[in-house]
This record gives sequence, C-alpha cells and structure tokens, in this order.
Amino acid sequence: AQTVTQSQPEMSVQEAETVTLSCTYDTSESDYYLFWYKQPPSRQMILVIRQEAYKQQNATENRFSVNFQKAAKSFSLKISDSQLGDAAMYFCAFKSQGGSEKLVFGKGTKLTVNP
Amino acid sequence: DVKVTQSSRYLVKRTGEKVFLECVQDMDHENMFWYRQDPGLGLRLIYFSYDVKMKEKGDIPEGYSVSREKKERFSLILESASTNQTSMYLCASSPLGSTYRGDNEQFFGPGTRLTVL
Repeated sequence: AQTVTQSQPEMSVQEAETVTLSCTYDTSESDYYLFWYKQPPSRQMILVIRQEAYKQQNATENRFSVNFQKAAKSFSLKISDSQLGDAAMYFCAFKSQGGSEKLVFGKGTKLTVNP
Repeated sequence: DVKVTQSSRYLVKRTGEKVFLECVQDMDHENMFWYRQDPGLGLRLIYFSYDVKMKEKGDIPEGYSVSREKKERFSLILESASTNQTSMYLCASSPLGSTYRGDNEQFFGPGTRLTVL
C-alpha cells in the first residue's frame, strides 16, 4: 500500500519570503499522480498543484512550484513571495495511475505566514 | 465551478443517536468520497462510491455506512454515534475515468464538524 509522509507538522515563513514544504511517498508503481492541497482556516480544501509522474518537468502554478524527484520519491512544494493568504494546512496526496480513484494523503503541514 | 455542498457545518449529537451527513455535488461526477479529518492524522478515507448504489470501503469504515441513491448525493450514516466519532467530515467528488483524461482532481465540500456528546 502507498504511504505519504509529511515530516514537518508546522512551518512558518515571513511574508514575501520563500518556504519549502516536504513530502515523501512510498510506492512500487511507476505511473501515478501527486498533488498538493491547501486548506485555509475554516475554508474548503482546494487543489494547489499536481504532478504526473511520467512528466520530468516540475509543475508550476504562479508562485507555487514543486521539486519532483522520482527516484528519491520526494515531492516538495515551494511557495515564493509568501502572502498572508497562504497561511493554511497543506496536504500532499498520492493517486495511482490505474484502478482506484482513491487519494492517499499525508498528515499535513500547518503553514503560518508572519507579517 | 464545481460545487460540493454538505448539509451542515456544525452538528452536535448524543451518543447512540443515528446521524446522517449529506453531501451534494452539482457537476455530474461519478465518484464521491467521505473522509474523516483529525489533527495529526490527516485525511482518512471512510467510504467512496463510483456509481449510484455502488460503494467501496475505505481505510476506516467501521461504525459507518453510506448510501448513494442518486448520482449527485452521497450520504454518510453513523448508525449509533459514539464519542470517538467526534471529528471533521469532508465530502469530495471527482469525475470517472479521470485517470485517463488527466482531470483527476477531487473537489471538496466545506466539511461538517460533528461533536458527539
């Protein structure tokens, strides 16, 4: 079974600085998807960024980018120019390419942005 | 925009009560999911459904059941609520066959915070 590990329960960053959230996963599959979801306080969970394992190029979405290291099974999220609105719980998630539609989530990292 | 709604944001029930949590999505998604979110444990899948009247157990189905009579609605049922079921419950939906189209994002509802006294 796949597992997803987020080793940083909490992180903090100064406004306008850059922060990197870590995620590692364990799988024997070669094709899969990885996701970062954001859950702001008292608000809905939304997708931040996704990465297909077969793509070598790291995904980017505006200030959000990932460092996908397939051999190391690592999938970190970099937030550049951090803003107060980035404060949230961030969850890393794994999904198999075939078969089940289920997501396997990490335990989350709480990000605080200091003004 | 995909919209996933849940019947209540906050719910307080007593031990032994039967509890229904409702989830509705408006994007004709085939897949629907119920998660439980607890501090330090992340999201854990309770049940999911890939079609009307179809369901599959997730990682922690004990003490829960589900019902999907219509495509847009997925209900989570606590047959006899217990204090250890106090938690945040999240519903999500996604389109079928999304693996092959790449649009495999799950869309989440706002959550129901259930307290069992």
